[in-house]
Amino acid sequence: AQSVAQPEDQVNVAEGNPLTVKCTYSVSGNPYLFWYVQYPNRGLQFLLKYITGDNLVKGSYGFEAEFNKSQTSFHLKKPSALVSDSALYFCAVRDGGGFKTIFGAGTRLFVKA
Amino acid sequence: DGGITQSPKYLFRKEGQNVTLSCEQNLNHDAMYWYRQDPGQGLRLIYYSQIVNDFQKGDIAEGYSVSREKKESFPLTVTSAQKNPTAFYLCASSPGQGRTYEQYFGPGTRLTVT
Repeated sequence: AQSVAQPEDQVNVAEGNPLTVKCTYSVSGNPYLFWYVQYPNRGLQFLLKYITGDNLVKGSYGFEAEFNKSQTSFHLKKPSALVSDSALYFCAVRDGGGFKTIFGAGTRLFVKA
Repeated sequence: DGGITQSPKYLFRKEGQNVTLSCEQNLNHDAMYWYRQDPGQGLRLIYYSQIVNDFQKGDIAEGYSVSREKKESFPLTVTSAQKNPTAFYLCASSPGQGRTYEQYFGPGTRLTVT
């Protein structure tokens, strides 16, 4: 069965510092991996995805994520955090043979000025 | 502007009443989804539809019903059989059945049942 784990409920970082939000996954086939962001009382917005190819994926708002097959991880990163990056971040996975997307429980990012 | 609209933003109902949540998209997407979001649990799939006049149950379909009579519309009915209906409901769509597609989300409807 597919699953996604986001081991941290909350990540705190100072503005200007690099940030990492962790995600590990489990699928039976090839993974298709996604990151979404949610601002308070809003729907989710797509940030980036890994389908195939280069392990480093670049997305919206300066975010990037690195796919690591051996560690089954897809951590979200940004070189320099902004206060406006404070939000709830979801990792999601879909295996190559399936149609449903499984979402992690979410990680709340708090960037302090 | 293309996008997904959900209405209303906030909805209050008495226990025992059915309620229908609206979801409309003008993105010309084939696939549509309904999710339920509860604090600390991420998103859980209620129903999805890959094409007009066809839909499948997700992981938590009990107490919910849907229809897909038009490509643009995918309304969700929360019935009185749903034991814990208070939640934030999100509708989403994607261009097709391709598994590489990301999903586009509406702004959500917060349902409170008392």
